[in-house]
Amino acid sequence: DSGVTQTPKHLITATGQRVTLRCSPRSGDLSVYWYQQSLDQGLQFLIQYYNGEERAKGNILERFSAQQFPDLHSELNLSSLELGDSALYFCASSVETNYNEQFFGPGTRLTVL
Amino acid sequence: GQQLNQSPQSMFIQEGEDVSMNCTSSSIFNTWLWYKQDPGEGPVLLIALYKAGELTSNGRLTAQFGITRKDSFLNISASIPSDVGIYFCAGPSNTGKLIFGQGTTLQVKP
Repeated sequence: DSGVTQTPKHLITATGQRVTLRCSPRSGDLSVYWYQQSLDQGLQFLIQYYNGEERAKGNILERFSAQQFPDLHSELNLSSLELGDSALYFCASSVETNYNEQFFGPGTRLTVL
Repeated sequence: GQQLNQSPQSMFIQEGEDVSMNCTSSSIFNTWLWYKQDPGEGPVLLIALYKAGELTSNGRLTAQFGITRKDSFLNISASIPSDVGIYFCAGPSNTGKLIFGQGTTLQVKP
């Protein structure tokens, strides 16, 4: 158990819908990272937050957004969902903003029908 | 952009055999991380390497940070069925983001 929690574990929705994925980092970690993992793309970095502020952006679509709240939990919002958004979404956390040892949550499996 | 190339892509071995996999890049990395991912689970950090030439062990796992800083190796000795999974190398890009290799899938036959 990495100490990072994610909910829900599974999510099934339809195209055009909007969903919110939730992540709680390890106790004491200030940085939260979101990744997308699909079969043909591997682990793709989406976005990073540190202590409530956006720190880095990866290949995140404009339809996706995230935020980190004062209690340090984070939410990833996916809107206007398309079939191709079906993937595993992982949250990871680390102590500092550039601390490379990231600890991953169990993931949310999103299926868009 | 920076990329990490892992080989082999997949391995199918007999229980008890030793395993070796590697990760290479055309760019220099200052940190190498090795993760293991079980099916349907999140990646778990196995070993972190911070110094060129460093050799670090974690149980039956041993990883080395290449002298050129462009490669890293992970060895698993006396494999067991629970070693099955996907092994990823990762390193910080020059923009600070962690980038991952495509993974080596390991299957172990009892």
